[in-house]
Amino acid sequence: KAGVTQTPRYLIKTRGQQVTLSCSPISGHRSVSWYQQTPGQGLQFLFEYFSETQRNKGNFPGRFSGRQFSNSRSEMNVSTLELGDSALYLCASSPGTLETQYFGPGTRLLVL
Amino acid sequence: AQSVAQPEDQVNVAEGNPLTVKCTYSVSGNPYLFWYVQYPNRGLQFLLKYITGDNLVKGSYGFEAEFNKSQTSFHLKKPSALVSDSALYFCAVRALGGGADGLTFGKGTHLIIQP
Repeated sequence: KAGVTQTPRYLIKTRGQQVTLSCSPISGHRSVSWYQQTPGQGLQFLFEYFSETQRNKGNFPGRFSGRQFSNSRSEMNVSTLELGDSALYLCASSPGTLETQYFGPGTRLLVL
Repeated sequence: AQSVAQPEDQVNVAEGNPLTVKCTYSVSGNPYLFWYVQYPNRGLQFLLKYITGDNLVKGSYGFEAEFNKSQTSFHLKKPSALVSDSALYFCAVRALGGGADGLTFGKGTHLIIQP
């Protein structure tokens, strides 16, 4: 099976812009989670989706949002970008919400 | 709230020697524990997990981990280290009953295997 894919792999934006990141889960996986990884804060949970419904949300401002489509693909959006949003954004998929999560390669976002 | 502590930022081991990467956790209820490894500019790769059962869990690439409920620990071990094991290792926890939190990760431990 193909692994989790994330697009784009690299992105450069300027402050105030918005960005949309995409994640395609492993075939048959219905749960998708998103994480932010930075040198200072480490890996932090953003949100978790299952069957198009947001199940859990981490402690991030409302500028961070996401959605899941009927084919389990997911997108996350960050509006009004700030310098501190520069990070590696990781997507993970699992068959269900309490099963092993398999990670994609990440999207590296740089905000200038 | 759930949390994970990895007390060592870096662990140095000579090739061929046994290695241990430490992890302690805090969670309400029974834990669902994981170890992941991250190579430079890559995502996380799953190594092993503990849900219930035998306290010694075997995973990929010869790694194993020992669950200790009384010490709330889940240390990662390998009997004989390889240079190729050098990477960043993350311990993660989730409450077995689910709940509002996703996976909570430790800060990570850099494992350096010296030839």
